[in-house]
Amino acid sequence: NAGVTQTPKFQVLKTGQSMTLQCAQDMNHEYMSWYRQDPGMGLRLIHYSVGAGITDQGEVPNGYNVSRSTTEDFPLRLLSAAPSQTSVYFCASSYSMPRGKTGELFFGEGSRLTVL
Amino acid sequence: QKEVEQDPGPLSVPEGAIVSLNCTYSNSAFQYFMWYRQYSRKGPELLMYTYSSGNKEDGRFTAQVDKSSKYISLFIRDSQPSDSATYLCAMSRSNDYKLSFGAGTTVTVRA
Repeated sequence: NAGVTQTPKFQVLKTGQSMTLQCAQDMNHEYMSWYRQDPGMGLRLIHYSVGAGITDQGEVPNGYNVSRSTTEDFPLRLLSAAPSQTSVYFCASSYSMPRGKTGELFFGEGSRLTVL
Repeated sequence: QKEVEQDPGPLSVPEGAIVSLNCTYSNSAFQYFMWYRQYSRKGPELLMYTYSSGNKEDGRFTAQVDKSSKYISLFIRDSQPSDSATYLCAMSRSNDYKLSFGAGTTVTVRA
């Protein structure tokens, strides 16, 4: 099993450009989410999905879009990149409750984004 | 004020020492408490998982939760260089997928 796979691992953008961070999981997890990690801030939830066709906003959703057309994939789109979006982005997934334990997330290895 | 506070360190200890990490929180609705370990340039992985108050032990790792004080701890006994990582506390309300994370404490165990 590959687990949670994120691409690309590294990306440099110019202000105003758009891009999509890809996330795929092969564990048949219903729940998928995107976090960003910044120094001193911990992990902050951007968007999440409890199943195909269902998405919701997290703590810091502005400037990002998501969609969930399949169970396996949960792409994160940056609409118009800003320097404040320079961060490390993590995709995480888990089984829905009650099959999964609350908070037992499986993370990808991260996508490091720099916006100039 | 952040919902979860964690001293970012860094913390440097000699091999074999006991590592003590802790977090405080403000939301009394939190019921599930976790510690994630994150190696450099990797994603976090779940290390310890505790429901409500009490202690949980797993090998060299012990997690403690004191809900009355809104305080959680992680102890690593007989620390090894392979324990060098960033440790993040996380917590959530019952039946809530969303986690609140601490900022993470970076630990280095010197051989």
